[in-house]
Amino acid sequence: GNSVTQMEGPVTLSEEAFLTINCTYTATGYPSLFWYVQYPGEGLQLLLKATKADDKGSNKGFEATYRKETTSFHLEKGSVQVSDSAVYFCALDRSEKLVFGKGTKLTVNP
Amino acid sequence: NAGVTQTPKFQVLKTGQSMTLQCAQDMNHNSMYWYRQDPGMGLRLIYYSASEGTTDKGEVPNGYNVSRLNKREFSLRLESAAPSQTSVYFCASSEVGTRSNYGYTFGSGTRLTVV
Repeated sequence: GNSVTQMEGPVTLSEEAFLTINCTYTATGYPSLFWYVQYPGEGLQLLLKATKADDKGSNKGFEATYRKETTSFHLEKGSVQVSDSAVYFCALDRSEKLVFGKGTKLTVNP
Repeated sequence: NAGVTQTPKFQVLKTGQSMTLQCAQDMNHNSMYWYRQDPGMGLRLIYYSASEGTTDKGEVPNGYNVSRLNKREFSLRLESAAPSQTSVYFCASSEVGTRSNYGYTFGSGTRLTVV
């Protein structure tokens, strides 16, 4: 069935470092792909999405490209800030419902 | 503020007790969802409702029931709570499922502990 695998955390970076959080998926067909972010004590919110192969989603300096060849949707940011500290979830669309990865906790230190 | 409201925010139950988690959205969304979040497990879908009057099981429905009371409200009931149901529960809504450009809107969660 459709599933998502994302890199184990936690990830700890210094401010202005480059961020990559890996996400790969298993699916029949070509589902839409998403990254959600959860700040401490809050619910999840959509960070970015891509609906077809080679699409690039971007928001708040974060980017992810839908790679059909490698079934991947890695999240990247060139220069992280302390305010980016959160848990990041990769997800895919299965029959109009979201299937989430296990989440990756990111901590950014000043 | 528009969004998804969950009550209560925190709850402690004894094994065998029952309770209902409430969820309401004021965005006129058609679809509503209940997820549970456990450490190392991500979010798992319990039940969902594609539209008013319909409900369907998700990945982990055992031990839960739901009611889509009207378009705004979607409640989750634990009939006989078990320690394995200790979790953080999130309600979410969406106008058109995953096709929405805005994604799902999540509530802030209910932290439930069953002792």
